[in-house]
Amino acid sequence: EAAVTQSPRNKVAVTGGKVTLSCNQTNNHNNMYWYRQDTGHGLRLIHYSYGAGSTEKGDIPDGYKASRPSQENFSLILELATPSQTSVYFCASGEGANTGQLYFGEGSKLTVL
Amino acid sequence: AQSVDQPDAHVTLYEGASLELRCSYSYSAAPYLFWYVQYPGQSLQFLLKYITGDAVVKGTKGFEAEFRKSNSSFNLKKSPAHWSDSAKYFCALDISNTGNYKYVFGAGTRLKVIA
Repeated sequence: EAAVTQSPRNKVAVTGGKVTLSCNQTNNHNNMYWYRQDTGHGLRLIHYSYGAGSTEKGDIPDGYKASRPSQENFSLILELATPSQTSVYFCASGEGANTGQLYFGEGSKLTVL
Repeated sequence: AQSVDQPDAHVTLYEGASLELRCSYSYSAAPYLFWYVQYPGQSLQFLLKYITGDAVVKGTKGFEAEFRKSNSSFNLKKSPAHWSDSAKYFCALDISNTGNYKYVFGAGTRLKVIA
């Protein structure tokens, strides 16, 4: 069964600190995505990747970096966390074809104080 | 620009009634459309998709959706509704045929089914 796992599931960080959210998928999908979910906004795309070594900016990339060191792993990095980045973050993987659905992880709740 | 609109932030109905959640999209190419459901405290799960062919597509959990090109809509339906259908529902547009494998999500509709 397709599986996407995220860690940590909950994180409290201080303003200015560095935060790394990790995502691992066992689907062997080429494409991976990081979204954030905020009330009233649905899911907004931060970064995505077409495969190992590639990262692309999504719709709201400012303040975030991404890293795809392997097919299975995709990280989201907040170098200098701010309270506005308090949110729930979802990782997803997809087959990359036009007809493919996304498989989501369980989400990571980040609170920046 | 590509966009998805779910005009109803909240929908409340009684168990046994018919539910219809609205979704409209803006996209210049052939749309690939999806519905996902998010139960409280959980992640998003795939419900159904429209790629091409029949305008009515059936998905999991007894849901179906109707694609209408004439008014750019892709409404989700189920009859009868059950209290366990209470969740947040997201409509999504796959804009992969722009060359980027990206999905645009609506803001979601929170459905409450009263038993």
